[in-house]
Amino acid sequence: NAGVMQNPRHLVRRRGQEARLRCSPMKGHSHVYWYRQLPEEGLKFMVYLQKENIIDESGMPKERFSAEFPKEGPSILRIQQVVRGDSAAYFCASSPRSSGLTGELFFGEGSRLTVL
Amino acid sequence: DQQVKQNSPSLSVQEGRISILNCDYTNSMFDYFLWYKKYPAEGPTFLISISSIKDKNEDGRFTVFLNKSAKHLSLHIVPSQPGDSAVYFCAATSGTGGFKTIFGAGTRLFVKA
Repeated sequence: NAGVMQNPRHLVRRRGQEARLRCSPMKGHSHVYWYRQLPEEGLKFMVYLQKENIIDESGMPKERFSAEFPKEGPSILRIQQVVRGDSAAYFCASSPRSSGLTGELFFGEGSRLTVL
Repeated sequence: DQQVKQNSPSLSVQEGRISILNCDYTNSMFDYFLWYKKYPAEGPTFLISISSIKDKNEDGRFTVFLNKSAKHLSLHIVPSQPGDSAVYFCAATSGTGGFKTIFGAGTRLFVKA
């Protein structure tokens, strides 16, 4: 039973390029969450999605960042025109509907974005 | 707006002794509180949780205590083992607003052999 799969694990981009991070939730999980961890900081909520729906994007920067979770395929976090401040570890988590209230999340190993 | 706060960035404990990690929160609407453990280059893993209607939950060496009047919770690990060395995140979730989970900044625990 595969866990939450994120790819790429490491991504290097130059300023102005686009970054795409992918996340496949655990089998049977229909809820996906994206978190960002800046160096020496905690996990900051970005967005919560269900299939084909964005439920809560209150943590997403207003510009350059977008997320989707299509009916088929992985969830995608897209960052356009990256800047050095976007360098961080981006974690995806998933949960089944039954644990949505308790908040228990299953995390992937993260995608580490470095912007040169 | 830090709704979940972990004021101690690090803690060092001798093997076999008790580790106590603390967490404070500001939002009285939180329904569940959780602790996650994170090793370097890995994602966080769920450790233990507690409902807001309880004041204690125990699972093996790990016990979480909740003091709602003080808006404070703590994680006790006893006895501490070197393999417990990791970053521990306190988190909280609310049934309103889409089940978003809010994390603290983390406390790095060092357990010395």
